[in-house]
Amino acid sequence: QKEVEQNSGPLSVPEGAIASLNCTYSDRGSQSFFWYRQYSGKSPELIMFIYSNGDKEDGRFTAQLNKASQYVSLLIRDSQPSDSATYLCAVTEAGNNRKLIWGLGTSLGVNP
Amino acid sequence: GAGVSQTPSNKVTEKGKYVELRCDPISGHTALYWYRQSLGQGPEFLIYFQGTGAADDSGLPNDRFFAVRPEGSVSTLKIQRTERGDSAVYLCASSFPTSPQFFGPGTRLTVL
Repeated sequence: QKEVEQNSGPLSVPEGAIASLNCTYSDRGSQSFFWYRQYSGKSPELIMFIYSNGDKEDGRFTAQLNKASQYVSLLIRDSQPSDSATYLCAVTEAGNNRKLIWGLGTSLGVNP
Repeated sequence: GAGVSQTPSNKVTEKGKYVELRCDPISGHTALYWYRQSLGQGPEFLIYFQGTGAADDSGLPNDRFFAVRPEGSVSTLKIQRTERGDSAVYLCASSFPTSPQFFGPGTRLTVL
């Protein structure tokens, strides 16, 4: 069974702090990795994607990938109350770069 | 259009009825995906189209579910003899062949 695991949370951080969200995956052949943000009652919104080992930064967001450890993370710097949402990790299935396997999501709350 | 659109936004039906859910992808996106999401879960892959053909329908739960994309743009997800367990949010996403997926707002289906 191919799995993506995330800590369900809730993760609570104060405004201005760094939020760290983690994801592990079981399919060693996965090639592409995505973080989506989902507000309650809304659909997933793409935040970051990463294909290569290392870090990728976009504004306040940094995605980190370690394929050897089968681990991907999302850091949110200077967290804002508007960042409060569920963050979904998705990875592509090995040999099928169009099919995403999803985690259950981590609920993040940023306290003013 | 600017983003993926889905209609209707909400659909309430009775057990045993037939429903159709429509998805209009981002202009130019050749790939189209259907997912469903239940409360507290990540999206569950149903089917993926590349152009007019279903490239992967391995996620369709049974033969009551069927999807078409006759002209390579708009897609319709069809559910026959609906059951209460079909109640969920049905999400559509689209992409270029090797790019991340962008989601529509979803259709909330309730089967009474």
